[in-house]
Amino acid sequence: DAKTTQPTSMDCAEGRAANLPCNHSTISGNEYVYWYRQIHSQGPQYIIHGLKNNETNEMASLIITEDRKSSTLILPHATLRDTAVYYCIVTGGTSYGKLTFGQGTILTVHP
Amino acid sequence: IAGITQAPTSQILAAGRRMTLRCTQDMRHNAMYWYRQDLGLGLRLIHYSNTAGTTGKGEVPDGYSVSRANTDDFPLTLASAVPSQTSVYFCASSRTLNNEQFFGPGTRLTVL
Repeated sequence: DAKTTQPTSMDCAEGRAANLPCNHSTISGNEYVYWYRQIHSQGPQYIIHGLKNNETNEMASLIITEDRKSSTLILPHATLRDTAVYYCIVTGGTSYGKLTFGQGTILTVHP
Repeated sequence: IAGITQAPTSQILAAGRRMTLRCTQDMRHNAMYWYRQDLGLGLRLIHYSNTAGTTGKGEVPDGYSVSRANTDDFPLTLASAVPSQTSVYFCASSRTLNNEQFFGPGTRLTVL
Protein backbone atom coordinates (compact mmCIF):
# COMPACT_ATOMS: atom_id res chain seq x y z
CA ASP A 1 0.00 0.00 0.00
CA ALA A 2 1.11 3.54 -0.70
CA LYS A 3 2.15 5.54 2.34
CA THR A 4 -0.02 8.48 3.27
CA THR A 5 0.85 11.70 5.09
CA GLN A 6 -1.71 13.71 7.04
CA PRO A 7 -1.46 16.67 9.41
CA THR A 8 -1.47 15.60 13.04
CA SER A 9 -4.34 17.87 14.02
CA MET A 10 -6.76 20.47 12.70
CA ASP A 11 -9.42 22.75 14.13
CA CYS A 12 -12.69 23.85 12.59
CA ALA A 13 -15.54 26.06 13.69
CA GLU A 14 -18.97 24.49 13.90
CA GLY A 15 -20.98 25.08 10.73
CA ARG A 16 -17.91 25.75 8.61
CA ALA A 17 -16.40 23.40 6.07
CA ALA A 18 -13.59 21.15 7.29
CA ASN A 19 -10.96 20.39 4.65
CA LEU A 20 -8.66 17.53 5.57
CA PRO A 21 -5.64 17.01 3.28
CA CYS A 22 -3.79 13.79 2.55
CA ASN A 23 -0.64 13.20 0.53
CA HIS A 24 -0.12 9.86 -1.20
CA SER A 25 2.58 10.59 -3.75
CA THR A 26 3.49 6.90 -4.30
CA ILE A 27 -0.03 5.75 -5.11
CA SER A 28 -0.30 3.15 -7.87
CA GLY A 29 -2.76 3.19 -10.74
CA ASN A 30 -4.98 0.47 -9.27
CA GLU A 31 -5.07 1.84 -5.72
CA TYR A 32 -8.06 3.61 -4.21
CA VAL A 33 -8.14 6.39 -1.62
CA TYR A 34 -10.35 5.55 1.36
CA TRP A 35 -11.32 7.75 4.30
CA TYR A 36 -12.43 6.44 7.67
CA ARG A 37 -12.94 8.21 10.96
CA GLN A 38 -12.86 7.07 14.55
CA ILE A 39 -14.84 8.83 17.22
CA HIS A 40 -13.40 8.35 20.70
CA SER A 41 -13.54 4.73 21.90
CA GLN A 42 -15.67 3.59 18.96
CA GLY A 43 -14.83 1.42 15.98
CA PRO A 44 -13.74 3.19 12.79
CA GLN A 45 -16.48 4.36 10.45
CA TYR A 46 -16.24 4.36 6.67
CA ILE A 47 -16.75 7.80 5.09
CA ILE A 48 -15.99 7.73 1.38
CA HIS A 49 -13.58 6.42 -1.22
CA GLY A 50 -12.47 7.18 -4.77
CA LEU A 51 -10.09 6.18 -7.54
CA LYS A 52 -9.52 9.31 -9.62
CA ASN A 53 -12.82 11.13 -9.93
CA ASN A 54 -14.20 13.39 -7.24
CA GLU A 55 -16.85 11.70 -5.11
CA THR A 56 -19.69 12.94 -2.93
CA ASN A 57 -22.05 11.17 -0.56
CA GLU A 58 -24.29 12.16 2.32
CA MET A 59 -21.35 12.48 4.68
CA ALA A 60 -18.60 14.17 2.71
CA SER A 61 -16.89 15.00 -0.56
CA LEU A 62 -13.58 13.64 -1.75
CA ILE A 63 -11.41 15.71 -4.08
CA ILE A 64 -8.51 13.85 -5.73
CA THR A 65 -5.90 15.81 -7.67
CA GLU A 66 -5.42 15.01 -11.33
CA ASP A 67 -2.05 13.36 -10.70
CA ARG A 68 -3.65 11.42 -7.78
CA LYS A 69 -0.77 12.29 -5.49
CA SER A 70 -3.00 14.02 -2.96
CA SER A 71 -6.62 14.31 -1.92
CA THR A 72 -8.86 16.37 0.34
CA LEU A 73 -11.79 15.20 2.41
CA ILE A 74 -14.42 17.91 2.80
CA LEU A 75 -17.05 17.93 5.52
CA PRO A 76 -19.26 20.73 4.21
CA HIS A 77 -20.89 21.83 7.46
CA ALA A 78 -18.93 20.46 10.40
CA THR A 79 -20.76 19.73 13.65
CA LEU A 80 -19.44 18.96 17.12
CA ARG A 81 -20.18 15.27 16.43
CA ASP A 82 -17.62 15.34 13.62
CA THR A 83 -14.81 15.66 16.18
CA ALA A 84 -12.79 12.49 15.55
CA VAL A 85 -9.58 11.04 14.15
CA TYR A 86 -9.72 10.92 10.36
CA TYR A 87 -7.69 8.31 8.50
CA CYS A 88 -6.69 8.52 4.86
CA ILE A 89 -5.84 5.04 3.53
CA VAL A 90 -4.65 3.89 0.13
CA THR A 91 -5.43 0.32 -0.79
CA GLY A 92 -5.86 -1.83 -3.85
CA GLY A 93 -4.35 -4.51 -6.02
CA THR A 94 -3.02 -7.44 -4.02
CA SER A 95 -3.34 -5.46 -0.79
CA TYR A 96 -7.05 -4.92 -1.15
CA GLY A 97 -8.83 -5.22 2.19
CA LYS A 98 -5.63 -5.08 4.21
CA LEU A 99 -6.05 -1.55 5.46
CA THR A 100 -3.01 0.22 6.88
CA PHE A 101 -4.07 2.85 9.39
CA GLY A 102 -1.54 5.58 10.06
CA GLN A 103 -1.79 8.19 12.80
CA GLY A 104 -4.57 10.11 11.09
CA THR A 105 -5.67 13.70 11.66
CA ILE A 106 -7.33 14.69 14.91
CA LEU A 107 -10.13 17.05 13.87
CA THR A 108 -11.60 19.17 16.64
CA VAL A 109 -14.78 21.07 15.85
CA HIS A 110 -15.32 24.08 18.12
CA PRO A 111 -18.66 25.74 18.98
CA ILE B 1 -30.59 -3.78 13.34
CA ALA B 2 -28.06 -5.36 11.02
CA GLY B 3 -24.48 -4.99 12.02
CA ILE B 4 -21.44 -6.50 13.63
CA THR B 5 -21.18 -7.48 17.28
CA GLN B 6 -18.23 -8.37 19.47
CA ALA B 7 -18.00 -10.12 22.81
CA PRO B 8 -16.93 -9.60 25.46
CA THR B 9 -16.90 -5.80 25.73
CA SER B 10 -13.92 -5.98 28.00
CA GLN B 11 -11.87 -8.65 29.75
CA ILE B 12 -9.03 -8.90 32.22
CA LEU B 13 -6.99 -12.03 31.68
CA ALA B 14 -4.07 -13.65 33.46
CA ALA B 15 -0.98 -14.24 31.37
CA GLY B 16 -0.80 -17.76 29.99
CA ARG B 17 -4.56 -18.21 29.81
CA ARG B 18 -6.42 -19.00 26.62
CA MET B 19 -8.98 -16.49 25.36
CA THR B 20 -11.36 -16.34 22.42
CA LEU B 21 -12.80 -13.06 21.25
CA ARG B 22 -16.07 -13.46 19.41
CA CYS B 23 -17.26 -11.58 16.34
CA THR B 24 -20.56 -12.03 14.53
CA GLN B 25 -22.04 -10.17 11.58
CA ASP B 26 -25.49 -10.49 10.08
CA MET B 27 -24.87 -8.62 6.84
CA ARG B 28 -23.87 -11.77 4.92
CA HIS B 29 -20.49 -10.20 4.20
CA ASN B 30 -17.92 -12.51 2.68
CA ALA B 31 -14.82 -10.85 4.15
CA MET B 32 -13.99 -10.39 7.82
CA TYR B 33 -11.01 -8.92 9.67
CA TRP B 34 -9.40 -8.58 13.08
CA TYR B 35 -7.41 -5.48 14.06
CA ARG B 36 -5.71 -4.38 17.25
CA GLN B 37 -5.29 -0.78 18.33
CA ASP B 38 -2.67 0.29 20.84
CA LEU B 39 -2.21 3.71 22.40
CA GLY B 40 -0.38 6.01 20.02
CA LEU B 41 -0.65 3.60 17.12
CA GLY B 42 -3.16 3.16 14.36
CA LEU B 43 -5.10 -0.03 13.85
CA ARG B 44 -3.02 -3.00 12.74
CA LEU B 45 -4.42 -5.98 10.89
CA ILE B 46 -4.01 -9.32 12.67
CA HIS B 47 -5.83 -11.81 10.44
CA TYR B 48 -8.46 -11.67 7.76
CA SER B 49 -10.79 -13.99 5.90
CA ASN B 50 -11.81 -13.58 2.28
CA THR B 51 -14.68 -16.03 2.55
CA ALA B 52 -15.89 -18.84 4.78
CA GLY B 53 -13.28 -21.55 4.99
CA THR B 54 -10.29 -19.34 4.16
CA THR B 55 -8.08 -17.15 6.35
CA GLY B 56 -4.96 -15.07 5.84
CA LYS B 57 -2.30 -13.36 7.92
CA GLY B 58 -2.18 -9.65 8.39
CA GLU B 59 0.55 -7.37 9.67
CA VAL B 60 0.78 -8.75 13.24
CA PRO B 61 -0.47 -12.39 13.28
CA ASP B 62 1.94 -13.93 15.81
CA GLY B 63 0.26 -15.22 18.96
CA TYR B 64 -3.21 -15.22 17.38
CA SER B 65 -5.27 -17.73 15.44
CA VAL B 66 -8.60 -17.46 13.64
CA SER B 67 -11.15 -19.74 12.06
CA ARG B 68 -14.01 -19.12 9.64
CA ALA B 69 -16.36 -22.07 9.82
CA ASN B 70 -19.31 -20.08 8.46
CA THR B 71 -20.10 -16.69 6.96
CA ASP B 72 -21.29 -14.99 10.12
CA ASP B 73 -18.65 -15.80 12.73
CA PHE B 74 -14.94 -15.03 12.90
CA PRO B 75 -13.47 -15.82 16.35
CA LEU B 76 -9.98 -14.69 17.34
CA THR B 77 -8.07 -16.94 19.76
CA LEU B 78 -5.10 -16.14 21.95
CA ALA B 79 -3.72 -19.58 22.84
CA SER B 80 -1.51 -18.32 25.68
CA ALA B 81 -2.00 -14.64 26.39
CA VAL B 82 0.97 -12.34 27.10
CA PRO B 83 0.94 -8.78 28.49
CA SER B 84 1.94 -7.34 25.09
CA GLN B 85 -1.43 -8.48 23.79
CA THR B 86 -3.13 -5.92 25.99
CA SER B 87 -5.01 -3.86 23.45
CA VAL B 88 -8.37 -2.92 22.00
CA TYR B 89 -9.48 -5.43 19.39
CA PHE B 90 -11.78 -4.50 16.53
CA CYS B 91 -13.54 -6.89 14.22
CA ALA B 92 -14.72 -5.71 10.80
CA SER B 93 -16.52 -7.09 7.78
CA SER B 94 -17.03 -6.12 4.16
CA ARG B 95 -19.05 -7.49 1.27
CA THR B 96 -15.81 -8.52 -0.42
CA LEU B 97 -12.16 -7.57 0.05
CA ASN B 98 -12.77 -4.78 -2.47
CA ASN B 99 -15.47 -3.01 -0.46
CA GLU B 100 -15.61 -0.66 2.51
CA GLN B 101 -15.30 -2.24 5.94
CA PHE B 102 -17.80 -2.01 8.79
CA PHE B 103 -16.34 -2.17 12.27
CA GLY B 104 -17.64 -3.58 15.51
CA PRO B 105 -17.58 -1.73 18.85
CA GLY B 106 -14.36 -3.34 20.00
CA THR B 107 -13.15 -5.55 22.88
CA ARG B 108 -10.81 -4.06 25.45
CA LEU B 109 -8.43 -6.81 26.62
CA THR B 110 -6.00 -6.47 29.51
CA VAL B 111 -3.45 -9.23 30.09
CA LEU B 112 -1.78 -9.15 33.49
